[in-house]
Amino acid sequence: AQSVTQLDSQVPVFEEAPVELRCNYSSSVSVYLFWYVQYPNQGLQLLLKYLSGSTLVKGINGFEAEFNKSQTSFHLRKPSVHISDTAEYFCAVSDRDDKIIFGKGTRLHILP
Amino acid sequence: DAGVTQSPTHLIKTRGQHVTLRCSPISGHKSVSWYQQVLGQGPQFIFQYYEKEERGRGNFPDRFSARQFPNYSSELNVNALLLGDSALYLCASAWNRDRGIYEQYFGPGTRLTVT
Repeated sequence: AQSVTQLDSQVPVFEEAPVELRCNYSSSVSVYLFWYVQYPNQGLQLLLKYLSGSTLVKGINGFEAEFNKSQTSFHLRKPSVHISDTAEYFCAVSDRDDKIIFGKGTRLHILP
Repeated sequence: DAGVTQSPTHLIKTRGQHVTLRCSPISGHKSVSWYQQVLGQGPQFIFQYYEKEERGRGNFPDRFSARQFPNYSSELNVNALLLGDSALYLCASAWNRDRGIYEQYFGPGTRLTVT
């Protein structure tokens, strides 16, 4: 069975500082991995995805993530955050059977 | 191009009532999935439909049902509403290639409040 663990429920970071949001997954088969962002009172927006190929994945809004198969991790990073990055971030995994399993989310607080 | 649309955006129901939520996928997408997102949690998978057939079901009671129409739009029905059904209900559409899901596009959700 698949599962996703987001290690931090909240991450405070100063504006223009770098940030890393951690995600670990478990699955017995090859997986697709995703990061979604949810702004207050809105639906989910896909930030980036790993399907195959290069382990470093670049997404929208300056975010990137690295797939590490040996550590079963897919951490999200941004070198310099902006106040507009304040949101909930969800890591998700799919084993290609047409459903996505989400983590519980990490709330990113940008401090002025 | 229009994204995934859902209706209504908000609704309030009383315990024991029935509710129908609607979703229109992105043009060309044949797969629709439904998710429940309780406040403070990640979305949980409820159903997936492809070509009008149920392809997957999450761990939800039989009070939850869904269907997909020939135009690929979908309805989620919940009977005998409980307070715990209060949540944001998200619809996602995807273009299936073979049996794989490459990515899903989410709608803005329907906020259901049960009083």
